[in-house]
Amino acid sequence: GQNIDQPTEMTATEGAIVQINCTYQTSGFNGLFWYQQHAGEAPTFLSYNVLDGLEEKGRFSSFLSRSKGYSYLLLKELQMKDSASYLCAVRDWDTGRRALTFGSGTRLQVQP
Amino acid sequence: NAGVTQTPKFRVLKTGQSMTLLCAQDMNHEYMYWYRQDPGMGLRLIHYSVGEGTTAKGEVPDGYNVSRLKKQNFLLGLESAAPSQTSVYFCASSSQEQTRQPQHFGDGTRLSIL
Repeated sequence: GQNIDQPTEMTATEGAIVQINCTYQTSGFNGLFWYQQHAGEAPTFLSYNVLDGLEEKGRFSSFLSRSKGYSYLLLKELQMKDSASYLCAVRDWDTGRRALTFGSGTRLQVQP
Repeated sequence: NAGVTQTPKFRVLKTGQSMTLLCAQDMNHEYMYWYRQDPGMGLRLIHYSVGEGTTAKGEVPDGYNVSRLKKQNFLLGLESAAPSQTSVYFCASSSQEQTRQPQHFGDGTRLSIL
């Protein structure tokens, strides 16, 4: 089975940097995704990591350490529109399914 | 390009009623999924399909049935709705060929069972 943990809520200031952590336990790791979800809307894809290291995409970066079962999402130059929930999701080795197991999400509030 | 379309967007049912949620995707994706999202619990997989004519159970399949008669459509049925099935339901699809490609989500169906 899989277990994914991430903080429930975080608060940060506009223009600052925030790091959202995700730890996971899985029987067979095959990729980690980060999604952004604004209230009342669908999740939208942010990043994907399958190898150790940092993936950078504009203001967003995601890091993975497979040996530690750990990932983080780094958001730079925070904007008010970044207030949303951020979902960490892990895919297991059963590629025939390609389904994701999601964490409960971290609700980020960006303050002026 | 519509992506993933879910109908209806909102629905209120009485306990014991039945209904079908429709998901349609126009990206020619092989894989399709139904999730439910409840406060504090994240997205949980109900059923999924790896191709036309195939379906399989996810984490929380009880009380639901699915069908994938056409590649582009994935239907989720509630035979006898219960208040515990009040939730937001999301459909998603993904490509078989590209492992890096994410799942694409529909806008959700908000279902209340009274």
